[in-house]
Amino acid sequence: AQTVTQSQPEMSVQEAETVTLSCTYDTSESDYYLFWYKQPPSRQMILVIRQEAYKQQNATENRFSVNFQKAAKSFSLKISDSQLGDAAMYFCAGGSGTYKYIFGTGTRLKVLA
Amino acid sequence: GAVVSQHPSRVICKSGTSVKIECRSLDFQATTMFWYRQFPKKSLMLMATSNEGSKATYEQGVEKDKFLINHASLTLSTLTVTSAHPEDSSFYICSARDPGGNSPLHFGNGTRLTVT
Repeated sequence: AQTVTQSQPEMSVQEAETVTLSCTYDTSESDYYLFWYKQPPSRQMILVIRQEAYKQQNATENRFSVNFQKAAKSFSLKISDSQLGDAAMYFCAGGSGTYKYIFGTGTRLKVLA
Repeated sequence: GAVVSQHPSRVICKSGTSVKIECRSLDFQATTMFWYRQFPKKSLMLMATSNEGSKATYEQGVEKDKFLINHASLTLSTLTVTSAHPEDSSFYICSARDPGGNSPLHFGNGTRLTVT
């Protein structure tokens, strides 16, 4: 069975500062992919970044980067130079070639001006 | 990029009636679509996997007779909430995956269902 765990219900960060959101996962699948999705108040799910579990190199998308620790099954999201528009719910998700994606419980990020 | 359209965005219905929600992949063919339910301030709960041309696969605890799923074409899946009750009020989101490689899930904008 797959599990995805987010242990931080809520995080706050000052504008322009850096924040890290945590996520751990567990799976027996070898063909596994990890994602971070952002859900603003509009409730639209927006893909932030993705990581193939077989790759060692951490994915980066502009101000967003991941710290992927395969042995620890950890997949954290780092947001640099935080902006007010980054305030949202962030969901970590994992899925395999069977296409079934499991989502974590989410972390609400507040950005303080 | 891949676009998933979901309709309607909001619907209010009376108890005992049925409501149909449509999910379309606009620029790609999706042999598999997924239906999620999200309670306020909660995570997405996978309800079922919709398979084109075959029966949907329901998650444990989801009533297949209440939540009817039809995936009649490669671009359209529908979720029908039958004999709706107030406890069915929720936010329903569909998603689809572009079959090319390891592409991520693309989500519709969701449907807020209110049963009175």
